[in-house]
Amino acid sequence: KQEVTQIPAALSVPEGENLVLNCSFTDSAIYNLQWFRQDPGKGLTSLLLIQSSQREQTSGRLNASLDKSSGRSTLYIAASQPGDSATYLCAVRRGGSEKLVFGKGTKLTVNP
Amino acid sequence: DVKVTQSSRYLVKRTGEKVFLECVQDMDHENMFWYRQDPGLGLRLIYFSYDVKMKEKGDIPEGYSVSREKKERFSLILESASTNQTSMYLCASTLQGRANYGYTFGSGTRLTVV
Repeated sequence: KQEVTQIPAALSVPEGENLVLNCSFTDSAIYNLQWFRQDPGKGLTSLLLIQSSQREQTSGRLNASLDKSSGRSTLYIAASQPGDSATYLCAVRRGGSEKLVFGKGTKLTVNP
Repeated sequence: DVKVTQSSRYLVKRTGEKVFLECVQDMDHENMFWYRQDPGLGLRLIYFSYDVKMKEKGDIPEGYSVSREKKERFSLILESASTNQTSMYLCASTLQGRANYGYTFGSGTRLTVV
């Protein structure tokens, strides 16, 4: 059974810092991996999707990497801003399945 | 942009009521999903549908049913609402079998059962 873990559960950093959020998964037979952002009381917004054949994806100040063999993905946020404060969720889709398995998220606070 | 629309942002219902949560997507996606999200438990899959009139149970289907009569609409039904169904409910959709295509979520429905 696929399990997804995100450590730490919460992170607080000063504005301007570069930071890395971690995601690990137990079954390397994934189809793709998706990073989401969730603001309090809101739905999930997709940030980046990495296919199993890819190593990384970039969007603006965000860069996501994937190492299938070690079961790890990282989300790098450059020059963090208070507006980046949110919960970040990682989810993997297994080959042959239409379902996503989610981690419990990392709550990020960027202090001005 | 793909839109997934959930009909209500907030709902308050009484114990024992039959509750309908509606979700509509506008991009001809085959797959639609209902999750609930609770503090400390994360997102848990209730049901999903891979075609009209087709459904599959997720991890926590007890106390829920679903309906998909049209491709764009997926309804979650609480047959007899209970206080332990107070939660945030999230709908999502995606295309089938596309590794380069992700999930799109709605904005969520915060349901309170009193």
